[in-house]
Amino acid sequence: GAVVSQHPSWVICKSGTSVKIECRSLDFQATTMFWYRQFPKQSLMLMATSNEGSKATYEQGVEKDKFLINHASLTLSTLTVTSAHPEDSSFYICSASSDTQYFGPGTRLTVL
Amino acid sequence: AQSVTQLDSHVSVSEGTPVLLRCNYSSSYSPSLFWYVQHPNKGLQLLLKYTSAATLVKGINGFEAEFKKSETSFHLTKPSAHMSDAAEYFCVVSDQESSASKIIFGSGTRLSIRP
Repeated sequence: GAVVSQHPSWVICKSGTSVKIECRSLDFQATTMFWYRQFPKQSLMLMATSNEGSKATYEQGVEKDKFLINHASLTLSTLTVTSAHPEDSSFYICSASSDTQYFGPGTRLTVL
Repeated sequence: AQSVTQLDSHVSVSEGTPVLLRCNYSSSYSPSLFWYVQHPNKGLQLLLKYTSAATLVKGINGFEAEFKKSETSFHLTKPSAHMSDAAEYFCVVSDQESSASKIIFGSGTRLSIRP
């Protein structure tokens, strides 16, 4: 089946720094990728929809200037958490879309 | 607006006994419904999907689900639980036939299997 990777799998950073998370579709091209956030013991909440070559569409309540999304190619989308704070600590999951959404393994972000 | 409600946050069954994970949906459209499984440190995996064809859908690993419009339900079942089934399960709704577009996740049900 289709494989989606995320890098890094976990990251710890200091408050105020920026963190970039990569999402790659390894064996297929994805015009659309999605970014989700999952808090402990909770469900996945869609943050934004990323389309290759265009601006991302953010869900209500998600700060686009804080969570920068770039979808520069059909196999790569990046999420940058800018000026991270402890409340941004979470599990971030991406998916890449072809006939269905294929999910990455997630990135655990801890902001100290 | 669409939504899904997973009625149980945690289900515990003994190995070899049946599994029932409950899901109710709300949709203005004719919905597509999906079940995903999340194992620790692994990506979400699609178990099965309903897209207006047969109401009884068979998925991977022996799971199946039945779409009941009159009850607005899409419960997930398995006749005999295996230890490897222990995971988090999500019921998902979409207004598109595939999950390639925007989808809405339920709150999840954690399935535990007792030896």
